[in-house]
Amino acid sequence: KNEVEQSPQNLTAQEGEFITINCSYSVGISALHWLQQHPGGGIVSLFMLSSGKKKHGRLIATINIQEKHSSLHITASHPRDSAVYICTVRGGSNYKLTFGKGTLLTVNP
Amino acid sequence: NAGVMQNPRHLVRRRGQEARLRCSPMKGHSHVYWYRQLPEEGLKFMVYLQKENIIDESGMPKERFSAEFPKEGPSILRIQQVVRGDSAAYFCASSPSGGFTGELFFGEGSRLTVL
Repeated sequence: KNEVEQSPQNLTAQEGEFITINCSYSVGISALHWLQQHPGGGIVSLFMLSSGKKKHGRLIATINIQEKHSSLHITASHPRDSAVYICTVRGGSNYKLTFGKGTLLTVNP
Repeated sequence: NAGVMQNPRHLVRRRGQEARLRCSPMKGHSHVYWYRQLPEEGLKFMVYLQKENIIDESGMPKERFSAEFPKEGPSILRIQQVVRGDSAAYFCASSPSGGFTGELFFGEGSRLTVL
């Protein structure tokens, strides 16, 4: 079992819909990151969380440390949001990031 | 301030050839990390380097793979005698000090295809 589990693996939405991607982890962590990767593209860091909630534009990320769970929400989704969203956690070692397998989001116009 | 620069972006090699992937960290960053993303798999840690030192190579395959980060120039990930299973995207990340205490900075990746 992967230490970081994401759901769903694939998600298709219509433009304007509210999107939620979930991440559960089984290890103790110092921080959790949400990353975005466009097909064939590089990786961009969206959020770093160690507690609570963060918002940036239409993106909102939350984390519940006790439940070892984080969610990434996208409000008013747009086709340009189509990408793979990756959850990664930092545990005892700050450089050995543990990654989820990613959620492929497709937003149709 | 340029980000993490990786080249080549795409590399095609035949089985048995050598692949060299380069990573220039962000300005002011002296720590480099290499990760591999196999098709349909998540990213996996390979190696952590500081200038002239390998700090942790526990994620590197025992044979054919090596990495260096010389005093001058980019970090190099070298794969000798490539096999089809080495086909993957290789990502480099950098940080100003040991470990990621804040935002993560990744390169665009180098996509290796072994024919």
